[in-house]
Formats: sequence, structure tokens, C-alpha cells
Amino acid sequence: DVKVTQSSRYLVKRTGEKVFLECVQDMDHENMFWYRQDPGLGLRLIYFSYDVKMKEKGDIPEGYSVSREKKERFSLILESASTNQTSMYLCASRVRSGANVLTFGAGSRLTVL
Amino acid sequence: AQSVTQLDSQVPVFEEAPVELRCNYSSSVSVYLFWYVQYPNQGLQLLLKYLSGSTLVESINGFEAEFNKSQTSFHLRKPSVHISDTAEYFCAVSEKGGSEKLVFGKGTKLTVNP
Repeated sequence: DVKVTQSSRYLVKRTGEKVFLECVQDMDHENMFWYRQDPGLGLRLIYFSYDVKMKEKGDIPEGYSVSREKKERFSLILESASTNQTSMYLCASRVRSGANVLTFGAGSRLTVL
Repeated sequence: AQSVTQLDSQVPVFEEAPVELRCNYSSSVSVYLFWYVQYPNQGLQLLLKYLSGSTLVESINGFEAEFNKSQTSFHLRKPSVHISDTAEYFCAVSEKGGSEKLVFGKGTKLTVNP
């Protein structure tokens, strides 16, 4: 089975801190995604990556950046965390093509104080 | 760009009753359509998908969804629900041949009561 591993399940950070959320997949998937999930708002796409070193903005990229230096790893970076970035962050991957199913990680719940 | 509207944020039903969770999408091109489910305290997993061909697709646990191109809908149905179907259900759309990013709706919380 494909595994998508998010390194931290729970994080608590202070306003202004730089935050790294790491995601690793083990099945050579080309596409990787970062979503945030908030009650009543569903999943909103932050960034996605077609392949190594490629990235595209999603619907809510402001305040975030990403890095994909290796195929298996897709990092989400909050340069200066703010309280409105308190959320559940979900990473997902798939084989190239929109027809394919996303495999999700367990999520990282970030609280910014 | 594509978008998804799930018309009901919460749907309470009694066990063994039928249920329909509504999903409409907007896109200028052909699409792939998905329903994902999130059980309490778990991650998202695929329930069913429409790629092409027959407009009626089924899952292994009794759910079905019908793609209606003229109404741009992909409603999810089950004739008789169980307590264990209590979960949040997300409709999602991906445009064929475009960026193929997957966009989700806001979700529908299905609560099945005894």
C-alpha cells in the first residue's frame, strides 16, 4: 500500500515562528498536494506539485511556500506563522493524472498561539 | 477553474432510511469526479469515482453516484444507511487535460441515528 507520512501529527507554534510541515510518500508518485481542512470550509488547496522542483499555487497560497527537491518529499513552509493558520494540514499524493486517486496522510494539526 | 458545491453541510437521518448527498460542479471542460469519505478521527479515503463510460458508479459498501452532465451534478445515494456510515463526505472534481488539480467541496456531515 502507498504510504504518505506526515512527520508531525500535532504542533504548537508561536506567532511569527517559521514552521515546516514535512510529507513523504513511498510509491514514486509524481503529483503531491497540500490542503488545509477547516470546519465548514472543507479542504482547500494550498499548493501542488506535478513533479520534482515543480510547484503550482492552489486556491489559498498566501502565507505559504513549498519545496520539492526530491520526488518523495513535499514540504510546506509557513514563513511567519499567524493565528489564522491554525488548522489541520493534509498532504496527499497520486500517480500522474487527474484520473488517479489521491492517497492522504494522517494530517498535521497546527496550533499557532 | 473548476469548483464544487455541496448543497447540504449536515444531513441527519435515521438508520435504514435512504439518503442523498448532493454535489454540483462547475467546469468549462470535461471532468473526473470523486467522492471521498472521512470517518471520525481518520483520514480521507476514496469512496467512488467517475472517469468515463457508465454514468452510474457504485462503491463496495452500497453507495452509488450518478454523473449528470446536463445538470453538472454527481449526487451520492444509499438506499438504506447504517450507523457506521456516519462520516463526512467530500465531493471533488479534477479537470481533464488541464492542471488536473483536485478541488473539493466543503463537505457534508452525515449523521445516522438509531
